[in-house]
Amino acid sequence: AQSVSQHNHHVILSEAASLELGCNYSYGGTVNLFWYVQYPGQHLQLLLKYFSGDPLVKGIKGFEAEFIKSKFSFNLRKPSVQWSDTAEYFCAVTRSSGNTGKLIFGQGTTLQVKP
Amino acid sequence: DAGVTQSPTHLIKTRGQQVTLRCSPISGHKSVSWYQQVLGQGPQFIFQYYEKEERGRGNFPDRFSARQFPNYSSELNVNALLLGDSALYLCASSFIQGMDYGYTFGSGTRLTVV
Repeated sequence: AQSVSQHNHHVILSEAASLELGCNYSYGGTVNLFWYVQYPGQHLQLLLKYFSGDPLVKGIKGFEAEFIKSKFSFNLRKPSVQWSDTAEYFCAVTRSSGNTGKLIFGQGTTLQVKP
Repeated sequence: DAGVTQSPTHLIKTRGQQVTLRCSPISGHKSVSWYQQVLGQGPQFIFQYYEKEERGRGNFPDRFSARQFPNYSSELNVNALLLGDSALYLCASSFIQGMDYGYTFGSGTRLTVV
């Protein structure tokens, strides 16, 4: 069965610090990978996605993620965080063939950025 | 350009009651999925509908059911509510069944069972 593990449950950073959130998935086949963000009181928004090709994916708001197939990882990074990045971040995976409509989410990482 | 709309936004029900949640996808989107997000956890997949047919079901009891209408809107029904059903219920829509275009999520319905 597919599963997603996010190792950091709660991260606290100061503004301008660098961010890396870990995400590992478990699945035997090829996958599509996603990072979603949920700002306080708002709906889930897609930050970035990986389907194929360049394993380094750039998303919105300066975020990027790197797919490392050998490590089953898809870590999210940002060189310099801002207070407005305070939110909950979810990594998600779906199979890349057949019925690809079922997203499997990790448990989420709460990021708190101190001004 | 309307996003995914869900109604109601908040709901309080008593144990044993039944509830119906509604979702209107983005215009032109034919696939709707439902997720349950319990506080402190990631969303869990409940159902996917595409072209009015169920295309996937998560590990939820038969008390949970859903349907998709000809206009692609969808309803999620939960019978015999339990306290553990308290959660944020999310609807997501996509143009097609697969993930190629990504799913757009609504703001959710916050269900509280007392």
